This record gives sequence, C-alpha cells and structure tokens, in this order.
Amino acid sequence: EAGVVQSPRYKIIEKKQPVAFWCNPISGHNTLYWYLQNLGQGPELLIRYENEEAVDDSQLPKDRFSAERLKGVDSTLKIQPAELGDSAVYLCASSFSSGEQYFGPGTRLTVT
Amino acid sequence: GIQVEQSPPDLILQEGANSTLRCNFSDSVNNLQWFHQNPWGQLINLFYIPSGTKQNGRLSATTVATERYSLLYISSSQTTDSGVYFCANKLIFGTGTRLQVFP
Repeated sequence: EAGVVQSPRYKIIEKKQPVAFWCNPISGHNTLYWYLQNLGQGPELLIRYENEEAVDDSQLPKDRFSAERLKGVDSTLKIQPAELGDSAVYLCASSFSSGEQYFGPGTRLTVT
Repeated sequence: GIQVEQSPPDLILQEGANSTLRCNFSDSVNNLQWFHQNPWGQLINLFYIPSGTKQNGRLSATTVATERYSLLYISSSQTTDSGVYFCANKLIFGTGTRLQVFP
C-alpha cells in the first residue's frame, strides 16, 4: 500500500515568489493535515481537512497561505508571496476519521 | 493553550543500553502518538496509544491518561535508533528527544 505522497521534495525560490506543494493521502483516508516544521522543533498544524471541509485552520496565516482539497482526496498548499521566514519543511499527513496519522516525506522549502 | 512537554531533550547512549523517554501533556489524552524522525526527516509511526501499554519488538509504550503522561521504552538500543522522538497529543507535538546511539 502506498504511503502519503508529497511533491516536490525540495524547492528553492526567491522571496516574494509564489510556491505550491501537493499531497496525495493514503487511499481511503478522509482526514488530511498540513504541518510546518522548523529546524529543531516539532511539527505545527497549519490546517486539517475532513473530506473537502477545512475544520481547523486557525494556525494558517491566511494573508499569504491558502489550501484546497477540492475532491476530498489530494490537496494543495500555496504560499503567495513567500517570505524568508517561510523556509521550513512542509509536511502532509493523513488518517482515517481523525485517528492514527501517517506522514509523507515532506517538502523542504528554502526562500532566498 | 495545550502543551506537550518531552524529556530529556537530548540523550546519548552506547549501543545495547536501555532508555525511557517521557511525554507530559496538559490536556486530556486524544490520539496520543509516538514518532521517530529519522536523519532524512521522515516521521515514522511507532505507537498510537491513547491508553494502556503496547510493545513492538525492542520498543514499548505506556500511556497513563489519568495522570497525563506517556512513556516510550527503548531496550538494547542500536545505532539505527538514532534520531528525534516526538510525541503528539491532540495534534500538538512536543519539542522532541534527540537520541544518539554510539557503537
């Protein structure tokens, strides 16, 4: 069984440019999560989806970050415009009905 | 807000030693999980343990929900156990325990 898939694995952009990350969850998992992980810290939740609905996005900086999960399967996280402080690893996870989470390999973003 | 505290922050062991990692949480337990983040950054599921005790090979975990803590035991440590161990409760992660195992 395939795990959580994320792309790209690495991305380097200049500040003020847009960037998008893609996540495909484990088949059958209806809950999808986006986390941000800074160096030396634990992951921090950005947004949680139950099917197509964003049920917890209180930590998502809505002035520059957006996310969508249009068909309740894969999801896209976007940053526009990117700032130097956005450099981090962006992790996607999925679970069945808010149960045990499984994480993808992450996207390492560097903003120069 | 909800807090998850892990101890110790760093742990250095010689191969073959045993260790105990602790996770304290300020809120009631919900979906308590332990993860191992390997040197390549992948978070690997160790235990989903909202209560009770589970064992998987050299690793075991115990969660005492009434006292709001969980313990991860690593026995006969190996160099491949090196990395950062995280616990998470209610989608809140602790700051991790960095484990280094030397041969």
